Amino acid sequence: SQKIEQNSEALNIQEGKTATLTCNYTNYSPAYLQWYRQDPGRGPVFLLLIRENEKEKRKERLKVTFDTTLKQSLFHITASQPADSATYLCALEGPGYALNFGKGTSLLVTP
Amino acid sequence: GAGVSQSPSNKVTEKGKDVELRCDPISGHTALYWYRQSLGQGLEFLIYFQGNSAPDKSGLPSDRFSAERTGGSVSTLTIQRTQQEDSAVYLCASSRDIRGYTFGSGTRLTVV
Repeated sequence: SQKIEQNSEALNIQEGKTATLTCNYTNYSPAYLQWYRQDPGRGPVFLLLIRENEKEKRKERLKVTFDTTLKQSLFHITASQPADSATYLCALEGPGYALNFGKGTSLLVTP
Repeated sequence: GAGVSQSPSNKVTEKGKDVELRCDPISGHTALYWYRQSLGQGLEFLIYFQGNSAPDKSGLPSDRFSAERTGGSVSTLTIQRTQQEDSAVYLCASSRDIRGYTFGSGTRLTVV
């Protein structure tokens, strides 16, 4: 069966450090992968999309890598800030066009 | 509108009652999706609309759940004879194509 795995343990880091979150998947052949941010009581917010032929993508302090051989994406936040504290979800296109989401990893950035 | 609007934001209902949840997507977004999120769980896909048709209803958990979309815009998710296990946050999203969804803030449904 298709699976999207994200570290269920919360990631605690100090302000200014780089946060790295991992998304692994099985039984997908994705044309692209997406990352979203979700704050408590809110819907997810789209951050970045990376295509299968792109190794890396950047947007401001965010960097995403995509390794289709390892079936893994890494999501980096550089110079992290307390405002970056949230749950981060990765998503892949399911068999019926809609996205399937991982359960997310909670990030806590402390001053 | 500027964003995806969902109503009500909160709904408490008695077991066995029917509920209707509404989603007003971003104007011009042809794709609309319903998901639900239980406490501490990931997003569970329910149904996908392209225009007014629903090519993918595979996520609806039972025949108590139905959804429609009229005029290629507003969608309603109906849950009949609600059960306690239906308690969750129901999220609606829309997109111009299949990438980069815009989500609403959800409807928190509590069945007592």
